[in-house]
Amino acid sequence: DSGVTQTPKHLITATGQRVTLRCSPRSGDLSVYWYQQSLDQGLQFLIQYYNGEERAKGNILERFSAQQFPDLHSELNLSSLELGDSALYFCASSVVSGSGELFFGEGSRLTVL
Amino acid sequence: AQTVTQSQPEMSVQEAETVTLSCTYDTSESDYYLFWYKQPPSRQMILVIRQEAYKQQNATENRFSVNFQKAAKSFSLKISDSQLGDAAMYFCAYGDRDDKIIFGKGTRLHILP
Repeated sequence: DSGVTQTPKHLITATGQRVTLRCSPRSGDLSVYWYQQSLDQGLQFLIQYYNGEERAKGNILERFSAQQFPDLHSELNLSSLELGDSALYFCASSVVSGSGELFFGEGSRLTVL
Repeated sequence: AQTVTQSQPEMSVQEAETVTLSCTYDTSESDYYLFWYKQPPSRQMILVIRQEAYKQQNATENRFSVNFQKAAKSFSLKISDSQLGDAAMYFCAYGDRDDKIIFGKGTRLHILP
């Protein structure tokens, strides 16, 4: 158990809909990352937050947005969903800036029909 | 922009034998981290080994060791005495001091009994 909690574990929805994925980092971790893993693909970096502020941005679509709240949990919002958005979405956290070591949640499996 | 390349989509090794997974990366930075993560069928991302670029000594963790060639920007993973439980997808990853961590596309490792 990495200590990172993601909900929901599985989500099935239809095209055009909007979903929110939630992540609670390990206790004390200030950094939260979001990654997308499509079927049998590597992890695509979406976005990173550090202590409530956006720190780095990757290949995140405009239809996607995220935020980190004062209690350090984070949410990833996916809107106008398309079939190609079906993927495993991972949240990870790290203890301090510059440590380079991520602790991953178990992922949220999103299926868009 | 930094990139991570894993040129071996799949590899197989006999149980108890040794296998080496390759990874190259590109960066203009001098201070960074490199990682190998393992993703078994459970999809959980597990950190296998971590290397800090300023350290010349290659990292080792039990049966796992790396060959870090900074000038060549190469970071290979050697697994000794391969076990059935080592079967997984292995991802090489690069992390900078700003905490942005990017992953290669992965190498699927099969262990043959």
